[in-house]
Amino acid sequence: EPEVTQTPSHQVTQMGQEVILRCVPISNHLYFYWYRQILGQKVEFLVSFYNNEISEKSEIFDDQFSVERPDGSNFTLKIRSTKLEDSAMYFCASSEVYRAGETQYFGPGTRLLVL
Amino acid sequence: KQEVTQIPAALSVPEGENLVLNCSFTDSAIYNLQWFRQDPGKGLTSLLLIQSSQREQTSGRLNASLDKSSGRSTLYIAASQPGDSATYLCAVIAIGGAQKLVFGQGTRLTINP
Repeated sequence: EPEVTQTPSHQVTQMGQEVILRCVPISNHLYFYWYRQILGQKVEFLVSFYNNEISEKSEIFDDQFSVERPDGSNFTLKIRSTKLEDSAMYFCASSEVYRAGETQYFGPGTRLLVL
Repeated sequence: KQEVTQIPAALSVPEGENLVLNCSFTDSAIYNLQWFRQDPGKGLTSLLLIQSSQREQTSGRLNASLDKSSGRSTLYIAASQPGDSATYLCAVIAIGGAQKLVFGQGTRLTINP
């Protein structure tokens, strides 16, 4: 069964460093998302991406964050200058079509630790 | 702004019991509600998705119901097993919410052998 994959599974970085989190959505999916979960807190929406553009972003998704689909298979989340509070599990998700209420399929997550 | 709440935060029951997890949401204008399972340090596994026009969905020992007008959903687990131990999350997509899932904080379930 097709699945969303994410790399790396864990990343440790120093405060102020740039990190890129990578996701490979399900191959025929067109709509992509990033969510994050700070330890002990709710899963929060960061951004949705469709047709090579951001569809919506949350207030968390400030200028330090960016997303890109550099080729036909990868979807990346970049954090330019990491802060301690960026430590979280980051989940990528994808859905097949842009249709209201479409099921989103989640990857296993990347655990980011900023020291 | 849509808010999703899950009660209880944690639940511990003996193996074999039937149990109910609760989810409430503040705005009934939703496209669907989804229940997920999350194992410690792991990703989210979708269990059941209920469209706003549906009242319930079943998968094996799991049954999810939706009462949109009252802003409530329940996840019923029959004949619980130790392997059911995990955190269960519910999430909604609000109408006008541009496909973003709004999650509850989860119920941490422990099934004791």
